[in-house]
Amino acid sequence: GQQLNQSPQSMFIQEGEDVSMNCTSSSIFNTWLWYKQDPGEGPVLLIALYKAGELTSNGRLTAQFGITRKDSFLNISASIPSDVGIYFCAGQLSTGNQFYFGTGTSLTVIP
Amino acid sequence: DADVTQTPRNRITKTGKRIMLECSQTKGHDRMYWYRQDPGLGLRLIYYSFDVKDINKGEISDGYSVSRQAQAKFSLSLESAIPNQTALYFCATSAPAQPQHFGDGTRLSIL
Repeated sequence: GQQLNQSPQSMFIQEGEDVSMNCTSSSIFNTWLWYKQDPGEGPVLLIALYKAGELTSNGRLTAQFGITRKDSFLNISASIPSDVGIYFCAGQLSTGNQFYFGTGTSLTVIP
Repeated sequence: DADVTQTPRNRITKTGKRIMLECSQTKGHDRMYWYRQDPGLGLRLIYYSFDVKDINKGEISDGYSVSRQAQAKFSLSLESAIPNQTALYFCATSAPAQPQHFGDGTRLSIL
C-alpha cells in the first residue's frame, strides 16, 4: 500500500508555542486531509484540501496542499492544552477510492 | 447520539474465538469502511463498501470478513481470532469523494 511519511512522530511543546507538522508521499495525491484523535475517541476531521497550493484555515489551524501534490503541512498557532492528541494526515490518489493514513504525530502541550 | 456507532466499545476474548464488531450510522452515507489502528502504524484499511452489494478488500483483509447488511450497517468478523489481531478497530463512513467520519472505536484484546 501507499506510505505516507508523517513527521515529527511526537512533539512536546510549551503552551503558547506554534506547532508545525508535515506529511510526504512518493505518490501524487488529489486530496489531503488532516484529522485529530483524542484519547478513547475516533479521528475527527480538521481540514480538507482539494487543490495543489490550497491554504485553508480552521481557527488556529492552517493546512496547505503542497504544490508538488506529494506533501501537506499543518500548523497550529498559539497552542493550548486541549490541542493535545494525535494528528493524522490522509491522502487520496487521483486513481483510486481509498484514503491512506500517515502514522500520526503525537502532540503534548505543557501548561 | 453519535452519527457512527460501534459496538462493543471494548472486548477481551481468547484465541480461536469468532468475533463480530458492529457499526451503524445515521449519516445516510453509502460508503463504509473498517480500519485497524496499531501504535506507530496509523490507520490501515481492512475492508470497504460503497453500496449494500459492494464489498472490497483493503490493505490488510487477511483473517477478516465483512457483511453489509443494510446501507446503515457494516459488520466486521474475525472467524478465528489470533493474538496479533489485538488492536483498536474503527468504522468510518463517507459520501462519494468526501472525507470519512469515524466512530469512537472498538478496543479488541485477544489472549
